[in-house]
Amino acid sequence: GEEVAQTPKHLVRGEGQKAKLYCAPIKGHSYVFWYQQVLKNEFKFLISFQNENVFDETGMPKERFSAKCLPNSPCSLEIQATKLEDSAVYFCASSPNNEQFFGPGTRLTVL
Amino acid sequence: LAKTTQPISMDSYEGQEVNITCSHNNIATNDYITWYQQFPSQGPRFIIQGYKTKVTNEVASLFIPADRKSSTLSLPRVSLSDTAVYYCLVGDIGTGGFKTIFGAGTRLFVKA
Repeated sequence: GEEVAQTPKHLVRGEGQKAKLYCAPIKGHSYVFWYQQVLKNEFKFLISFQNENVFDETGMPKERFSAKCLPNSPCSLEIQATKLEDSAVYFCASSPNNEQFFGPGTRLTVL
Repeated sequence: LAKTTQPISMDSYEGQEVNITCSHNNIATNDYITWYQQFPSQGPRFIIQGYKTKVTNEVASLFIPADRKSSTLSLPRVSLSDTAVYYCLVGDIGTGGFKTIFGAGTRLFVKA
């Protein structure tokens, strides 16, 4: 079956540099979610989309984080001026309903 | 937003049944209860979802009492490969429920 694809698998950035992560949701899924998972396994919700529209962005640190889901393109999560505390695994999930299908994640390391 | 509480860790032996309980006292009327499994360096994988009573699929059962303030994931006859972190998630897409954090999950360790 189809899977959520995330690229790159690993990303290393120096503090202050930009980081851009990509997610290709499963075709036909209306919802896309971005989560940040840090060391203690807890997931922090960042943002969700319904098709290309922002559905809920209450988890996003808006001063440095932005995200898009444009038609016929992978969704993206961009971090301007990364900080050490942004080091985490970023998961994308897509969903047709209340069941979320997760990608393998992108591990971001900020040095 | 419904918050969930699970045991931090559990140990079991191969072949045993494992029950992991999740408390969600503030569950809303529209919320579903979903359990995920996560292995190291992988994304969470859907196990089972329910709204009330009992749900069973090929890998697990989910027991939900009438008040829905808790749920129990039951894994029959676990094997070493079931060693993973298990997350309980409560929410409903329609009401923005999936901003709810997963929490730390329950780390299950299955021993030979």
